[in-house]
Amino acid sequence: NAGVTQTPKFQVLKTGQSMTLQCAQDMNHNSMYWYRQDPGMGLRLIYYSASEGTTDKGEVPNGYNVSRLNKREFSLRLESAAPSQTSVYFCASSEPEPGRYEQYFGPGTRLTVT
Amino acid sequence: GENVEQHPSTLSVQEGDSAVIKCTYSDSASNYFPWYKQELGKRPQLIIDIRSNVGEKKDQRIAVTLNKTAKHFSLHITETQPEDSAVYFCAASPNSGGSNYKLTFGKGTLLTVNP
Repeated sequence: NAGVTQTPKFQVLKTGQSMTLQCAQDMNHNSMYWYRQDPGMGLRLIYYSASEGTTDKGEVPNGYNVSRLNKREFSLRLESAAPSQTSVYFCASSEPEPGRYEQYFGPGTRLTVT
Repeated sequence: GENVEQHPSTLSVQEGDSAVIKCTYSDSASNYFPWYKQELGKRPQLIIDIRSNVGEKKDQRIAVTLNKTAKHFSLHITETQPEDSAVYFCAASPNSGGSNYKLTFGKGTLLTVNP
């Protein structure tokens, strides 16, 4: 099992450009999440999808959109990138049943917006 | 919403010493408290977690304690080794079923274990 995979690993964008970060999991998990990690700020939730067909805003959703394409895939879109969106983006998944609450993280995408 | 405070932000210990990282949370509905370890350039990985019906949990050299009354929980690492050097994150979740499994993370503690 590959677990949680993310593409691309690195990306440089100019201000105003758009892009989509891809995430896929092969663990048959219902819930998926997008976080951003900035120095000294921990992990902040952008959007999450509790189950296929649902998405909800997290702590810092402004400037982002998401699509839960199917049970395996959850994408994050930046419509008009800004320098403030320079960050490391992590996707995670979990199967929140009693006794199984762990979130499994992907390897991350390092995004720089110039 | 939930707010998680984590201290200290950096911690340096000698190999073999103990390390303690403390977190407080604000939402009394939170009942699940995981700790994640993130090595440099890697993804966060769960190392231990605790539910609110338990006061302490141990796994070899790591332990977590929870005080629900005071709304704080702590990570204890004994006999530290250089490979324990990493950033550690605490988190809290209401975990109350349905779709409410969001985690709120603390800002992290950079632990350095000096040989």
